[in-house]
This record gives sequence, C-alpha cells and structure tokens, in this order.
Amino acid sequence: EIVLTQSPGTLSLSPGERATLSCRASQSVSSSYLVWYQQKPGQAPTLLIYGASNRATGIPDRFSGSGSGTDFTLTISGVESDDFAVYYCQHYGNSFGGGTKVEFK
Amino acid sequence: QVQLQESGPGLVKPSETLSLTCTVSGYSISSGYYWGWIRQPPGRGLEWIANIYHSGNTYYNSSLKSRVTLSVDTSKNHFSLKLASVTAADTAVYYCARKELTAGEFDHWGQGTLVTVSS
Repeated sequence: EIVLTQSPGTLSLSPGERATLSCRASQSVSSSYLVWYQQKPGQAPTLLIYGASNRATGIPDRFSGSGSGTDFTLTISGVESDDFAVYYCQHYGNSFGGGTKVEFK
Repeated sequence: QVQLQESGPGLVKPSETLSLTCTVSGYSISSGYYWGWIRQPPGRGLEWIANIYHSGNTYYNSSLKSRVTLSVDTSKNHFSLKLASVTAADTAVYYCARKELTAGEFDHWGQGTLVTVSS
C-alpha cells in the first residue's frame, strides 16, 4: 500500500506569495495517477490537478503540478484570497496524503 | 451536469451497521467510471473507503475491508455503502464521488453527509 506524506502541514502566506506544497510517496508511482484536490471549510474537495500536471476544467493557471517517481509538487504562483484552503494529494483513487493547510499570514 | 447526493441516517448506534446511498443524476452509472466512497472525521483528513464499478467489481481500503460492503443498482442509478460494527471512530462526513477510469481522479463529489456514531 502506498503512503503519501505531505509537507509542510501548514503554510502561512500573504496574498501574492508563491506556495510550494510537497507530496512524497512511500514508493515510486506513475505520475499518471497523482492527483491534487483543494478543500475549503464545510465543502467537499474539488479536483485541481490530475496526472501530476494537468489542470482540471476551470482551474486557474496559477495552479501547477509537477514531479515524478516519489516526489510531487503543487505550486500556486501567487496566492489569492480564494486559495486559502487545505490541499490533498492522492494516488489513483485511493490513498490520500494528510493534507497541507494554506493559511493567511 | 453530473451530480451526486448522499443519503442515510445521520446517527448510528455503536456496533450497528452504517448504511448510505449515493444517487447520481446527469450521468448513467452503467455508462462507465468507478464510483467511490471517501470519509473525513471531524477536523481530520480524507480517507478512501472503497470503489465500485457498474459491473459490481469492488476495491476496498485494506484497513476497512472486513467491515465494508458496496453495491450498485443501475436501475435506480445509485450505489450504496454498508459499514458494519461501527464505533465512535467511524464518526465522519461521508462523501460519494465519481472516479475516472484511467488517471483515477475523483472528478465529481457529493456534498457529504455527517454520520455520528453514538448511543
């Protein structure tokens, strides 16, 4: 079973700053199966990135995903107020990482 | 537009069976995709529970497999979750979602339903 570890647990940023979120897998995985979600309080998660680097429909281009093997990254090029949320990575529709909270500094 | 809606009791007694149904609109379950359940204990992260294909093929989280049963009813366009022998640790918001076949992402989610396990 693949375990996904996300870091940091919390990221404190001011609007306009760059956010770099990490997702590390316990063993090498296909980038085709690495997914990122955003979750806001009281809401269901929404799909951000699939296949490690493909933005889902309607996702702004300030969100980008990269990585391969065991190390994957979600980058928000300039955080906006609507981006303060929790972000989860997932592998192939099963195991989730523990999440990274992006909060207002 | 694909929509999913969870339904079922919001309160379940310890040792009993939790039963939830996810009704899909805007898409026929028989047309493809996997259909899954994910839960989130209050204040905590997401936990995948299981997925089911319209044919009935199922895939379970190994930590829950002994207690989970999934089923699908294509005539009603819904799928269901049963979780047996529940404890307080099973208190969570339960989400249903559609899972894409190739890349595996959950591209549409229900709004979630809180299930509390308490006597």
